[in-house]
Amino acid sequence: AQSVTQPDIHITVSEGASLELRCNYSYGATPYLFWYVQSPGQGLQLLLKYFSGDTLVQGIKGFEAEFKRSQSSFNLRKPSVHWSDAAEYFCAVGNSGNTPLVFGKGTRLSVIA
Amino acid sequence: GAGVSQTPSNKVTEKGKYVELRCDPISGHTALYWYRQSLGQGPEFLIYFQGTGAADDSGLPNDRFFAVRPEGSVSTLKIQRTERGDSAVYLCASSLDGPASGNTIYFGEGSWLTVV
Repeated sequence: AQSVTQPDIHITVSEGASLELRCNYSYGATPYLFWYVQSPGQGLQLLLKYFSGDTLVQGIKGFEAEFKRSQSSFNLRKPSVHWSDAAEYFCAVGNSGNTPLVFGKGTRLSVIA
Repeated sequence: GAGVSQTPSNKVTEKGKYVELRCDPISGHTALYWYRQSLGQGPEFLIYFQGTGAADDSGLPNDRFFAVRPEGSVSTLKIQRTERGDSAVYLCASSLDGPASGNTIYFGEGSWLTVV
């Protein structure tokens, strides 16, 4: 069975600082990997996804993530955080079978001035 | 519609009552998913439809939970004899095809269920 671990429950960064949110997955074959963002009272919005090919994936809102098979990781990064990035971030794993996505427990991002 | 629509957005019900939550997916999307999200947790899979049939219902916690999608579009999640532990946000999502296709899965804003 596939699973996702997001080790950080809550992270606080200063506006303009860089950000890295960690995600580790467990799956025997090549996974499909996703990052979603959830703002208060809003639905989940897809930031980016990885299926194959280039291991560095660009997403919306200036986010990127890198798939590292050797570390079973798919960390999300942003070079300069904006106050509007404060939200809950979820990593999810899928696969080429028809197995629905499995989500991590999320990392809450707070942005301070 | 433009996105996944869920109704009601909020529902408060008494323990033991029956509840229905409705999901209207993006037009043309054949795959529809229900997830449940408790406070401070990530979404947990409940059931996935491909067309009218439930392709995977392994996430339904017990037989009080049931979902239908009779015409392959709108879906209803039904909860019988509600319990306080059922309180959560119920998320619906849809995608053009099943999860193996890698198509983007779009989520609705959820139905917040509170059982008192």
